[in-house]
Amino acid sequence: DTGVSQDPRHKITKRGQNVTFRCDPISEHNRLYWYRQTLGQGPEFLTYFQNEAQLEKSRLLSDRFSAERPKGSFSTLEIQRTEQGDSAMYLCASRTRGNTEAFFGQGTRLTVV
Amino acid sequence: AQKVTQAQTEISVVEKEDVTLDCVYETRDTTYYLFWYKQPPSGELVFLIRRNSFDEQNEISGRYSWNFQKSTSSFNFTITASQVVDSAVYFCALSSISNFGNEKLTFGTGTRLTIIP
Repeated sequence: DTGVSQDPRHKITKRGQNVTFRCDPISEHNRLYWYRQTLGQGPEFLTYFQNEAQLEKSRLLSDRFSAERPKGSFSTLEIQRTEQGDSAMYLCASRTRGNTEAFFGQGTRLTVV
Repeated sequence: AQKVTQAQTEISVVEKEDVTLDCVYETRDTTYYLFWYKQPPSGELVFLIRRNSFDEQNEISGRYSWNFQKSTSSFNFTITASQVVDSAVYFCALSSISNFGNEKLTFGTGTRLTIIP
C-alpha cells in the first residue's frame, strides 16, 4: 500500500484521558499536515511539518495538543486531557515539495465520552 | 484571510442527470491554487483537480468538468450523466504559499451529493 495510512481508524476514549494517533505518509513525501474535521464541516488545518521540523501551527492547536515527526517519516498527534469538544475526524496528508497535490489518509475518528 | 463558500449543503439528483456544485472563494493573494476533493463514506479525501490562479482554462476529465472564473471568484464543478458511485461529499479548497512552503488548504463546508438510482 503506497498511500497515507493512519492508525487507529477509530478511537473511543473517556474524557480526561490522553490519546495518540499515528500517520505514515507516502514514503518520498517530505511535507506532512494534520487537519481536523468536525461533523458537517470541512477539514481545518492544525499543523505542518517539513521533514522533521514543525514549521506552522494553527491557533486551533491548543496546548493540550502536541505533534511530532521525529525522523521526518511518520508523525504522531497526541491529545492530553481529552474533552468532548475534541471529538472529530483527524486527517493526515502528505505531499512532495513543489507544485503538487496533498494526499490524504482515511483519518482517525475520535469520540470522547 | 482566505475563505471558501459552498452554499449548497445537500443536492439530490436522479441518476444520469447533470449536476453542478458551486464554489466561491475569497483571497487577497495573487497566486493561489484551487482544488476539489471527494469524500466518500470511508472518510478518505480523494483528490480530483488542482488549478492555479493563472490558468483560467476550463478542464474536462471524463464526466467531470470544472469552470474557473476569476472575475466572479468561482470554481464550479459539473458532473455529467451522474452515477450512483458519484454519491459523496465534495469539498472545494483554496491554498496559497505561506511561510516555509506550507500550502495549507482552506476548505469549504462541503456539498453532500446523493445520486438516486
